[in-house]
Amino acid sequence: DTAVSQTPKYLVTQMGNDKSIKCEQNLGHDTMYWYKQDSKKFLKIMFSYNNKELIINETVPNRFSPKSPDKAHLNLHINSLELGDSAVYFCASKTGQGSGGYTFGSGTRLTVV
Amino acid sequence: AQSVTQPDIHITVSEGASLELRCNYSYGATPYLFWYVQSPGQGLQLLLKYFSGDTLVQGIKGFEAEFKRSQSSFNLRKPSVHWSDAAEYFCAVALEYGNKLVFGAGTILRVKS
Repeated sequence: DTAVSQTPKYLVTQMGNDKSIKCEQNLGHDTMYWYKQDSKKFLKIMFSYNNKELIINETVPNRFSPKSPDKAHLNLHINSLELGDSAVYFCASKTGQGSGGYTFGSGTRLTVV
Repeated sequence: AQSVTQPDIHITVSEGASLELRCNYSYGATPYLFWYVQSPGQGLQLLLKYFSGDTLVQGIKGFEAEFKRSQSSFNLRKPSVHWSDAAEYFCAVALEYGNKLVFGAGTILRVKS
């Protein structure tokens, strides 16, 4: 069973479209994250949710809207896609207890043409 | 400002040689420290982490890292590199457990036979 799963793995879309990326974790973790990895492989936090509550919102355009219907899911919706949104988006999760690391999904490669 | 520095963008080592990847951080307190590895087209895999206690931590795949408070460093080492270790390595820190991870820019490891 995949611990943190993202769909789709690849997404190619035209500028101006609206798209969503889904993330689900079956680890029972309390906190979930979205990270963006740009073309230079730099990873940066976008959002974090704890038990469905938004706790981190870095300087991300408001075209990006995360949604957490329950603590096992954190979806990312992107409106009016732009060329600069092309990147790999990683979902991650973390438990609030214990000393485990952050678990990452395998990433969604978004290409805007 | 919080930052993580990986001074080496690329490192090339011969198979069987030893490896050290450098990581420095700038924070007032001791953060939680992590090393992740990313193979081409893949997600992020946790190699090891440091929270407290013994400053030499062992990870998967024969990797270890040493936390040095006086140098604000958390360097990753492996005594004998295998060709399959070729990948990109990311150092990351979190100020509080469960908080966002701040990543370094990554070090690309090439292994020559």
